[in-house]
Amino acid sequence: KAGVTQTPRYLIKTRGQQVTLSCSPISGHRSVSWYQQTPGQGLQFLFEYFSETQRNKGNFPGRFSGRQFSNSRSEMNVSTLELGDSALYLCASLGTSGSDEQFFGPGTRLTVL
Amino acid sequence: GESVGLHLPTLSVQEGDNSIINCAYSNSASDYFIWYKQESGKGPQFIIDIRSNMDKRQGQRVTVLLNKTVKHLSLQIAATQPGDSAVYFCAEKATGFQKLVFGTGTRLLVSP
Repeated sequence: KAGVTQTPRYLIKTRGQQVTLSCSPISGHRSVSWYQQTPGQGLQFLFEYFSETQRNKGNFPGRFSGRQFSNSRSEMNVSTLELGDSALYLCASLGTSGSDEQFFGPGTRLTVL
Repeated sequence: GESVGLHLPTLSVQEGDNSIINCAYSNSASDYFIWYKQESGKGPQFIIDIRSNMDKRQGQRVTVLLNKTVKHLSLQIAATQPGDSAVYFCAEKATGFQKLVFGTGTRLLVSP
């Protein structure tokens, strides 16, 4: 069974630009969560999607948005990039009903110059 | 606000020793706790979990202990190996929410 995949793995952008990151969950998993990981703030929850609907949201500004498609693949978008958005963005796929175990992808390393 | 923290940012042990990594949490509503291992350049990898109706759970070479009275979680790794070197995170979750709240992480360094 393939794991969680994230593309691209590395990305370099400049301030003011926008970026879209993609996550494909494990086959059969319908919930996808996004996290931001930085040395200063650690791992922080961005949002969670289930069946194409945002079900939970963290404390990030509106520049951070996401969506989920009917095949459960998810994208997150960050607009008007700031230097502080440089981070590892992780996607997690939630297992079957009744399970709480979240499986993480390798992440997308975003650098904002 | 809610928070999950770690007492030791870096733990250095010798190969073969037992390691104990500690974590404090503050959300009394959390009912599910997880330990993750993260190696350089990789995403967090699930190690072991425990629900709030238990106080101990064992896996292969790992044991998680939960003390709800003092809101404390620990991960014990038996016979630590160089391959165990990584950053370890505790995380908590409340029922009905998929949001994981992570601790700050502890770096485990295992010397041969």
